[in-house]
Amino acid sequence: NAGVTQTPKFRVLKTGQSMTLLCAQDMNHEYMYWYRQDPGMGLRLIHYSVGEGTTAKGEVPDGYNVSRLKKQNFLLGLESAAPSQTSVYFCASSSHRPVRTRHSNQPQHFGDGTRLSIL
Amino acid sequence: TQLLEQSPQFLSIQEGENLTVYCNSSSVFSSLQWYRQEPGEGPVLLVTVVTGGEVKKLKRLTFQFGDARKDSSLHITAAQPGDTGLYLCAGADGDRYNNNDMRFGAGTRLTVKP
Repeated sequence: NAGVTQTPKFRVLKTGQSMTLLCAQDMNHEYMYWYRQDPGMGLRLIHYSVGEGTTAKGEVPDGYNVSRLKKQNFLLGLESAAPSQTSVYFCASSSHRPVRTRHSNQPQHFGDGTRLSIL
Repeated sequence: TQLLEQSPQFLSIQEGENLTVYCNSSSVFSSLQWYRQEPGEGPVLLVTVVTGGEVKKLKRLTFQFGDARKDSSLHITAAQPGDTGLYLCAGADGDRYNNNDMRFGAGTRLTVKP
């Protein structure tokens, strides 16, 4: 069971270049998330999706775009990379619990990250 | 937006020692989670606490949620080198338990020396 798979694992870009980070999950989860992790700042939510065809902004969305064309895939795009976007990017997914049984947050399943450096 | 402060930032101990790490905020959480992250990997959920004063045990790890639901602690008994990692707390406010409302602390980096 692969869980959440992120590609690529490492990438170096020059300022102004564009790229797309890929995330795939095989757990049939409704919800997917993109985070960035920076030293001393913890994980910060960039964008998220509650289902196929829907996306929403998180805490730090500027400079990023996302798409969820298929339920199992969530793509993160950088149209014009900037040095401030140097970070480790994590994708996560979680299931959706029916409202009547909700009493806590669903666990998030994370990928192993993409280390992105922008020169 | 709630700010979660974790302490200490770094902790290095010998195998067999006990330790406690903390997660504090001025906000009240509806739900709080602890994750462990190993180098080169993503975080893995250890536990979720939702009730003030709640205590959960996971083998040698004991998690406590503060009575006022503003803070939490993680106590490890007889630490082992396999406990080495970054321990993250994440809390959500509101009553909808949406993961997009979760905010993560910066973590405590624990090293257990053999």
